[in-house]
Amino acid sequence: ETGVTQTPRHLVMGMTNKKSLKCEQHLGHNAMYWYKQSAKKPLELMFVYSLEERVENNSVPSRFSPECPNSSHLFLHLHTLQPEDSALYLCASSVGGSSYEQYFGPGTRLTVT
Amino acid sequence: EDQVTQSPEALRLQEGESSSLNCSYTVSGLRGLFWYRQDPGKGPEFLFTLYSAGEEKEKERLKATLTKKESFLHITAPKPEDSATYLCAVWGGGSNYKLTFGKGTLLTVNP
Repeated sequence: ETGVTQTPRHLVMGMTNKKSLKCEQHLGHNAMYWYKQSAKKPLELMFVYSLEERVENNSVPSRFSPECPNSSHLFLHLHTLQPEDSALYLCASSVGGSSYEQYFGPGTRLTVT
Repeated sequence: EDQVTQSPEALRLQEGESSSLNCSYTVSGLRGLFWYRQDPGKGPEFLFTLYSAGEEKEKERLKATLTKKESFLHITAPKPEDSATYLCAVWGGGSNYKLTFGKGTLLTVNP
């Protein structure tokens, strides 16, 4: 595997379910990001981890819970989501902060029913 | 709060018909402006970073330029494979990590 991978690619869940999104980067980067991309809206930064420490939390509801067990893996735990949370969730990584370009995974298309 | 506005929202070109995409921004202390390309069903792919007004970067048929208020992505003699959504993002002074993205321009190049 190369670059940034995300699983699953598609996920349908009910509002009472609990699920997790997984991201893995094979680039040796130190920073990892979660973004939300909704139709007709710009990419929204959700969380940033640098060297496994959360450095940004962009006013995201508590029903989204990130976890970064090491510098190569990032998870987004989901519980009691709302239909408006349906979106494409993108993971990205970079060498360091924003002075470095971010490399994105293919995303997880989430549908909340 | 940093803001990015991209225009037009959508652009249709004939193959070989050159044009430009615009990215206007307001930011407190621009530290970098980024261009990405996003194909349907995929994550954004990095194209360019510009750091200061007057800077230009080129890659194949694409050239990005930067002024103090906006950036242009010039597409010369486009091909159908250039069809994608082009995203602009700015890195301002408020965070070491946060990029503020525009909504993108959907470019379609017809053969």
